[in-house]
Amino acid sequence: GAGVSQSPSNKVTEKGKDVELRCDPISGHTALYWYRQSLGQGLEFLIYFQGNSAPDKSGLPSDRFSAERTGGSVSTLTIQRTQQEDSAVYLCASSPGSPMGYTFGSGTRLTVV
Amino acid sequence: GENVEQHPSTLSVQEGDSAVIKCTYSDSASNYFPWYKQELGKGPQLIIDIRSNVGEKKDQRIAVTLNKTAKHFSLHITETQPEDSAVYFCSDNTGFQKLVFGTGTRLLVSP
Repeated sequence: GAGVSQSPSNKVTEKGKDVELRCDPISGHTALYWYRQSLGQGLEFLIYFQGNSAPDKSGLPSDRFSAERTGGSVSTLTIQRTQQEDSAVYLCASSPGSPMGYTFGSGTRLTVV
Repeated sequence: GENVEQHPSTLSVQEGDSAVIKCTYSDSASNYFPWYKQELGKGPQLIIDIRSNVGEKKDQRIAVTLNKTAKHFSLHITETQPEDSAVYFCSDNTGFQKLVFGTGTRLLVSP
């Protein structure tokens, strides 16, 4: 596609429920990144994919967070048993194969009530 | 370790003035330093970047400078306009696999 697409754009969920966030990267971009941005805060790295493998998942906050990427394209970030502190904007970015030239999506705003 | 410090956290200027945002990185191996602009409700957008083999780069009203010895890099915006109001993030490619971002600077340009 022309840009990085994230869905849903907004998600409100009850505490304890599981959520799935989707990212469609730019076609042909082999690298895909997930970041979290809490209200008024900076960009916290979560996980990085090169193709379908995740060489760096050091930023995942707990074992409730997981991510996968299939076909070298779409990625899904899953948060199990959501907590209120998970409320944030989750941003996805893709690049041709290195950190240069990141393109971000518009994010998914997750609210846990 | 992976760390990029950014200041100021907020910056208010009058239209037409210049704005400068400064960052410091810790990984001497970093060789790529992009800057991103984030408008309300949108994802960050790349506005300019610099590689470690140059000391300065300009693109119209924006410029970035890099001092590798001091591990400092800065964003300069001249002749600021209200549409420059946004949050700006510096970053570096620590470990060459991902970007690590500063904490952001909220720039407000008043007409």
